[in-house]
Amino acid sequence: GQQLNQSPQSMFIQEGEDVSMNCTSSSIFNTWLWYKQDPGEGPVLLIALYKAGELTSNGRLTAQFGITRKDSFLNISASIPSDVGIYFCAGIDSGYALNFGKGTSLLVTP
Amino acid sequence: GAVVSQHPSRVICKSGTSVKIECRSLDFQATTMFWYRQFPKKSLMLMATSNEGSKATYEQGVEKDKFLINHASLTLSTLTVTSAHPEDSSFYICSARASRSYNEQFFGPGTRLTVL
Repeated sequence: GQQLNQSPQSMFIQEGEDVSMNCTSSSIFNTWLWYKQDPGEGPVLLIALYKAGELTSNGRLTAQFGITRKDSFLNISASIPSDVGIYFCAGIDSGYALNFGKGTSLLVTP
Repeated sequence: GAVVSQHPSRVICKSGTSVKIECRSLDFQATTMFWYRQFPKKSLMLMATSNEGSKATYEQGVEKDKFLINHASLTLSTLTVTSAHPEDSSFYICSARASRSYNEQFFGPGTRLTVL
């Protein structure tokens, strides 16, 4: 598999601010996923995207599957302290394995 | 739905011993299970892909005789770290996929292995 390019690597924001992170790859993926991982826990699926151009929301989270199928972004609106964690993008390849980004570490101050 | 469990959650063992980690899909049948390894502050690294009833497919650089994978049923896969050494200490996470038409993968809570 390949390692996806995920940015930013880390973010330090104040509660109430909006957050945006993105992922790019050199390969086309048919599915993009966004996960959140808390320390010492496994990743939890936040949003799954199946079609190029698809825009999907889950509460304060919004994610889009890029038209080129080589990128995706995740937005978090009105951040709260419990949004703290590491966010990973992942693309599913033809072998159904996940190719992960390096993660975006999010810190939210009250 | 789509709950994946792992056992144990953490294990400490002596160098040279073998450790078995179980991954179970609790409310769905998993055609495929995946095993990942994660180092501190790093992303997940795929170790192997496990399909029920067949041999696991290992990623390049992962020793199949060192990391034995058995996917005996549609709800259980096991990873055995044989003759563990301190460098095998890591966070091991499994994930499960329900079927080929459903691309979402659900992760277990992970197993923290410490080899003394």
